[in-house]
Amino acid sequence: DQQVKQNSPSLSVQEGRISILNCDYTNSMFDYFLWYKKYPAEGPTFLISISSIKDKNEDGRFTVFLNKSAKHLSLHIVPSQPGDSAVYFCAASDVQGAQKLVFGQGTRLTINP
Amino acid sequence: GAVVSQHPSWVICKSGTSVKIECRSLDFQATTMFWYRQFPKQSLMLMATSNEGSKATYEQGVEKDKFLINHASLTLSTLTVTSAHPEDSSFYICSARVYAGYNEQFFGPGTRLTVL
Repeated sequence: DQQVKQNSPSLSVQEGRISILNCDYTNSMFDYFLWYKKYPAEGPTFLISISSIKDKNEDGRFTVFLNKSAKHLSLHIVPSQPGDSAVYFCAASDVQGAQKLVFGQGTRLTINP
Repeated sequence: GAVVSQHPSWVICKSGTSVKIECRSLDFQATTMFWYRQFPKQSLMLMATSNEGSKATYEQGVEKDKFLINHASLTLSTLTVTSAHPEDSSFYICSARVYAGYNEQFFGPGTRLTVL
């Protein structure tokens, strides 16, 4: 049972444009959501997070939106830069689950010059 | 801050041998460390949660006798793959939580294990 889903395995965006990565979850107990960026043969790097009490969190070029009623979150990157090319994972956790992270399958983002 | 290292970064071993992977938090003390496994083009799957000074908690379907976890100190956790077989070949990643109640985990660079 995939509790966190990223339905787009890949996304290609032109440099300077907005990249939007999507993530859906099924477990209503999740109360904290995170986005990680990962390069091949490296560990994930934390990007940005959001608590379930908020619907938006912004950090520089990165903004995460949370729609609890739809159990959906998205990561916006604007403007997109070539260095943003990587695999992006969304993850969710809940206090009940001892704050373990459940990851989505990842979306490979490619920024074209 | 919040740097996590892993050693080795890659290892090749013969079937039947055991391999130990170290995970260290370099600039903080981690009461909890996590071990993940990632197959090619797939998500990170949590294998176990490692708490300093106590037994690890394994996820369903993970063989605790095959994947031995020891969290001997606040800065070191080890994963030993015992009697490794080719199907154990994978990318193993550890992470550490800075303190209890803090959701973010900081990840090590990962270890690529290839069992021949």
